[in-house]
Amino acid sequence: DGGITQSPKYLFRKEGQNVTLSCEQNLNHDAMYWYRQDPGQGLRLIYYSQIVNDFQKGDIAEGYSVSREKKESFPLTVTSAQKNPTAFYLCASRSYGGELFFGEGSRLTVL
Amino acid sequence: GESVGLHLPTLSVQEGDNSIINCAYSNSASDYFIWYKQESGKGPQFIIDIRSNMDKRQGQRVTVLLNKTVKHLSLQIAATQPGDSAVYFCAEGGSGNTGKLIFGQGTTLQVKP
Repeated sequence: DGGITQSPKYLFRKEGQNVTLSCEQNLNHDAMYWYRQDPGQGLRLIYYSQIVNDFQKGDIAEGYSVSREKKESFPLTVTSAQKNPTAFYLCASRSYGGELFFGEGSRLTVL
Repeated sequence: GESVGLHLPTLSVQEGDNSIINCAYSNSASDYFIWYKQESGKGPQFIIDIRSNMDKRQGQRVTVLLNKTVKHLSLQIAATQPGDSAVYFCAEGGSGNTGKLIFGQGTTLQVKP
């Protein structure tokens, strides 16, 4: 079945470590997005990519990095520079003019 | 700046009643609005969308109303069921076609049996 796969679902990190969250889609969508969700809050955009080898910062990009080497993949690295990384991370994708589809999310906890 | 907000953090309704969830937005240039449903620990699911050239759109048991004069959006759920219990987010599609969405903080819908 077509969809968006995020992994891992749960991740624990020590302070000072970088971690990478995986996002893969087989929907043949051009655009992909990373959102962060904190408890009781809406989603905030971290980074997005409209085509391969190109990406733009969202509203809260500091402390994060991404790459888009393949159309299907848009990994997010949470670096040690991110001051408050504990959150629920959501990846999404869409075709041109289409609706946004979300993955099931990755929950990152910093110990 | 742009912001999207919902009027109530929690809404409790009786099973079988109709639910109305409200949302206000601030960017009068926005031309696309979406409602998402998010169950606990899962990603948001698309419910229904509406473009600014419409004021009403209906889906299966759901209706979205858009009032551009007062920048207000609402989601109506008919005959609310226990499976409708979730957090509901409205989102605004900004100008341009980047696909970027600005999300409200969400309303938790609780359905009482």
